[in-house]
Amino acid sequence: ETGVTQSPTHLIKTRGQQVTLRCSSQSGHNTVSWYQQALGQGPQFIFQYYREEENGRGNFPPRFSGLQFPNYSSELNVNALELDDSALYLCASSLGGGLAGGTDTQYFGPGTRLTVL
Amino acid sequence: LAKTTQPISMDSYEGQEVNITCSHNNIATNDYITWYQQFPSQGPRFIIQGYKTKVTNEVASLFIPADRKSSTLSLPRVSLSDTAVYYCLVVNNAGNMLTFGGGTRLMVKP
Repeated sequence: ETGVTQSPTHLIKTRGQQVTLRCSSQSGHNTVSWYQQALGQGPQFIFQYYREEENGRGNFPPRFSGLQFPNYSSELNVNALELDDSALYLCASSLGGGLAGGTDTQYFGPGTRLTVL
Repeated sequence: LAKTTQPISMDSYEGQEVNITCSHNNIATNDYITWYQQFPSQGPRFIIQGYKTKVTNEVASLFIPADRKSSTLSLPRVSLSDTAVYYCLVVNNAGNMLTFGGGTRLMVKP
């Protein structure tokens, strides 16, 4: 158990709808990253939030947006859902701040399985 | 970001030692090698990270030769529960994103 929780576990939406996924980070972590994992592939980086500011973004369109709250929990919002958005959405939390002597290890939650019909 | 190459799949039997090799020919000076394990419908789990030589923890060992262009994850005496996908990543200490490849699907048989 990493202490990272995500909700909901599963979600079914239809094309064109909007969805909000939620993530609670591990205690003491101020950085949250979101990833999309299509079936049979490795996770793909969507974006990261560090102390409530976006701190990097992958190759995803603007209809993927996010928020981080003062308690460092986070939301991922996807507008105008497309069939290809069907995937496992993963949230990972980390200490942030570019630690010396190593990298900022990311700890993943169990994911939210989104199905778009 | 350094690209990694690892076998698509491997088979092993319970009790054997499993070595998964990853190549990362264009690794940079400030890059670290990191391995994650993922079970179906779960998030990846951090296994081990190293910069050079050998790193060992309670789960695995990571061997990195002097040129750092490859690394080997060693899982001692695997069990059925070690059946999973193993990802090799190159991560730098200034970066914020993890770049996952396709991983290695390890199947442990009885």
